[in-house]
Amino acid sequence: DIVMTQAPLSVSVTPGESASISCRSSKSLLHSNGITYVYWYLQKPGKSPQLLIYRMSNLASGVPDRFSGSGSETDFTLKISRVEAEDVGIYYCGQLLENPWTFGGGTKLELK
Amino acid sequence: EVQLVESGGGLVKPGASLKLSCVASGFTFSDYWMSWVRQTPGKTMEWIGDIKYDGSYTNYAPSLKNRFTISRDNAKSTLYLQMSNVRSEDTATYYCTLYYGSPFDYWGQGVMVTVSS
Repeated sequence: DIVMTQAPLSVSVTPGESASISCRSSKSLLHSNGITYVYWYLQKPGKSPQLLIYRMSNLASGVPDRFSGSGSETDFTLKISRVEAEDVGIYYCGQLLENPWTFGGGTKLELK
Repeated sequence: EVQLVESGGGLVKPGASLKLSCVASGFTFSDYWMSWVRQTPGKTMEWIGDIKYDGSYTNYAPSLKNRFTISRDNAKSTLYLQMSNVRSEDTATYYCTLYYGSPFDYWGQGVMVTVSS
């Protein structure tokens, strides 16, 4: 199975500042079609997860452009610019290149 | 508006069976792949499996393949997860998810399953 490792486990951010979350895969997620199959999800407190970023760098519908995704074949970053109170929750990366689809352990974002 | 509503969870004893349901609305259910994902009390996310839009193909996490079965009834816009021989480690919140534009595009509200004697 492809292992997804996230860092840090938690991050505390002052509102208005930026935050970055890292995710590393145990295998390249770059498909021969040129698409990198890494996804980012946010689970707000008491809510179901929601899709933020698909195929490494594409913003899902309705997601503020304060969120951005980037990376290489095995190292990925979710950046949140100008963090707001509504951004609090647990962020997960996931890979959908190879069965079984797997997720990182999650990064909890809190406000200072 | 896409809605996914799970039901059927609760407290079950080890070794028992349980069937979860997910009723979908707001889209043409028979056109889309669906899946189940679970989240443990420690917040670990685990993909269980998915099913093709017409029900002709299923795909499972190898560790769960022998005990879990996914099915669907397109006439009822309902997705199912049959769980057998449940264990304490199956204690989790189970989510029904929709592959709309992307995998796990939409999630239900989740249903809790607790396995305990």
